[in-house]
Amino acid sequence: RKEVEQDPGPFNVPEGATVAFNCTYSNSASQSFFWYRQDCRKEPKLLMSVYSSGNEDGRFTAQLNRASQYISLLIRDSKLSDSATYLCVVNPALDSSYKLIFGSGTRLLVRP
Amino acid sequence: NAGVTQTPKFRVLKTGQSMTLLCAQDMNHEYMYWYRQDPGMGLRLIHYSVGEGTTAKGEVPDGYNVSRLKKQNFLLGLESAAPSQTSVYFCASINGPNTEAFFGQGTRLTVV
Repeated sequence: RKEVEQDPGPFNVPEGATVAFNCTYSNSASQSFFWYRQDCRKEPKLLMSVYSSGNEDGRFTAQLNRASQYISLLIRDSKLSDSATYLCVVNPALDSSYKLIFGSGTRLLVRP
Repeated sequence: NAGVTQTPKFRVLKTGQSMTLLCAQDMNHEYMYWYRQDPGMGLRLIHYSVGEGTTAKGEVPDGYNVSRLKKQNFLLGLESAAPSQTSVYFCASINGPNTEAFFGQGTRLTVV
């Protein structure tokens, strides 16, 4: 089983739609959770951190469910510019290296 | 600020040749990482460093060596390139736990 698993998609949605991605992780001791965005042929960039209490940033909402070991990302009112690959990222907290484990990404296509 | 800079951005190698990828960060980060990204597999950790003079193996270290002689630089070496090392390589750095990872723009390496 992969440490971090995501549905690869693609999710093909019209502008204005609401879309949600889930991600599961295998290590119950994991401490930190993030969503990164990666545009085609570019480096990943932090979209948002995911806290136990959930967090919201404009049209984006991230939630963590420790009991079921999954995190989610909700995008409301999708824009064309949201088209990208969304990477679920976990720090498994196995040691003090703080290395990040990446899911393979979920591709989102927003159409006019 | 430049952030994280990788050189070169593109390279074509013949099987058996060697090369070094340079990652430089100007944010005084302690932790640095080398990842490779292949289609459908997400980012996989090759080697990492938790401080100047330290290095450790990640998930896929075979065929690579690293050095961190200066805090701001993390070098990735391929002693004898193989076609299986054709990939996009990303360097990243963080300041500590639960902080944003900053990535370089990537190095596209093709081994023929």
